[in-house]
Amino acid sequence: NAGVTQTPKFQVLKTGQSMTLQCAQDMNHEYMSWYRQDPGMGLRLIHYSVGAGITDQGEVPNGYNVSRSTTEDFPLRLLSAAPSQTSVYFCASSWGLEASYEQYFGPGTRLTVT
Amino acid sequence: SQQGEEDPQALSIQEGENATMNCSYKTSINNLQWYRQNSGRGLVHLILIRSNEREKHSGRLRVTLDTSKKSSSLLITASRAADTASYFCATVAGGTSYGKLTFGQGTILTVHP
Repeated sequence: NAGVTQTPKFQVLKTGQSMTLQCAQDMNHEYMSWYRQDPGMGLRLIHYSVGAGITDQGEVPNGYNVSRSTTEDFPLRLLSAAPSQTSVYFCASSWGLEASYEQYFGPGTRLTVT
Repeated sequence: SQQGEEDPQALSIQEGENATMNCSYKTSINNLQWYRQNSGRGLVHLILIRSNEREKHSGRLRVTLDTSKKSSSLLITASRAADTASYFCATVAGGTSYGKLTFGQGTILTVHP
């Protein structure tokens, strides 16, 4: 199993550009989520999904969009990048329908917005 | 806002010593989880303790939970240089917030050989 994979590893965007961060898992997990990690802070939840077609907002959803068309994939879209979105982004998944189980994290995408 | 607050923010010890990290939280929880993050990597799950449990062990790890004080501690015994990492607590709120895992800001542990 590859576990949770994320692409790209690094990305530089200009303000106003859009892009999609990819996340995929091969463990047949229903629960998937996106976090951002800023220096000196823990992870903050952006969006999560409890199955295909079902998504909900986390703590910091503004400026981000998600959809879940398959169990395996959970892409995160930045609609119009801003310097405040410079961060490291992590995708995670777990087998339950909630966050109350061990989360498996991807390696992260380091995004810089200039 | 962060649910978990960790203490200390940084901890530096010698190999073989024990390391204790503390986590406090604000609202009732369903469970509390501890994660490790090596520099530049993703998080790795260490241990999960449910609200009706008081203590759990996993290898050299010991986690306690005191729901009356809304706090948890992670003890790493006989630490090794390879334990150098950031450690995070994360909580799942009770009630209907089962979709949301809330992280503390972490403790940076440095173990000197």
